[in-house]
Amino acid sequence: QVQLVQSGAEMKKPGSSVRVSCKASGGTFNSNPMSWVRQAPGQGLEWMGKIVPIFGTTNYAQKFQGRVTITTDESTTTAYMEVSSLTSEDTAIYYCASGPVGVAKYWGQGTLVTVSS
Amino acid sequence: FMLTQPHSVSESPGKTVTISCTRSGGSIATYYVQWLQQRPGSSPTTVIYEDNQRPSGVPDRFSGSIDSSSNSASLTISGLKTEDEADYFCQSYDSNNDWVFGGGTKLTVL
Repeated sequence: QVQLVQSGAEMKKPGSSVRVSCKASGGTFNSNPMSWVRQAPGQGLEWMGKIVPIFGTTNYAQKFQGRVTITTDESTTTAYMEVSSLTSEDTAIYYCASGPVGVAKYWGQGTLVTVSS
Repeated sequence: FMLTQPHSVSESPGKTVTISCTRSGGSIATYYVQWLQQRPGSSPTTVIYEDNQRPSGVPDRFSGSIDSSSNSASLTISGLKTEDEADYFCQSYDSNNDWVFGGGTKLTVL
């Protein structure tokens, strides 16, 4: 059974960047795409982008192009998601999720990122 | 494309409820649909994947189906329990394998 364990909560200032990690275990890290999803307070789920570890290729939702970077470290089976130029509207819980192509099957526990001056 | 869900549904314990998810743009049958359950204060968990498959540990009270005639997917929960009260999201993808989520349905069991 695949397990995804994310890094802890972050408090950031506007204009700064944040990097969230997601360590995978119990499966073949390279075989499934890894997506990042965010959920603003009281809102629904929003897909941000994904990486295919075996190829290192990334796709981002248009809204996040140029401001979000997703990477992986195969040696530690960890995925990373970095958001730059943070504003208060980036305050949200960020989730990593993976599964067969197109399928959200496994979820991390979420990382709360709070952006406040 | 978009996935449209009802904002809320409610039903009594022991009854059966069905939540719909209608796809606009592309065929529902071409791209798998997943259903996620999110209890208050918790991360999402997948209760149905690949249209109608249940992950291990999900009770068989949960079932999924698709209907090409209405281009929609459905999540049916039978024998409702108070613990089923949660937000439910459908999820699917496009030709680039980019994910899309429905807006979510709040299920109240009363």
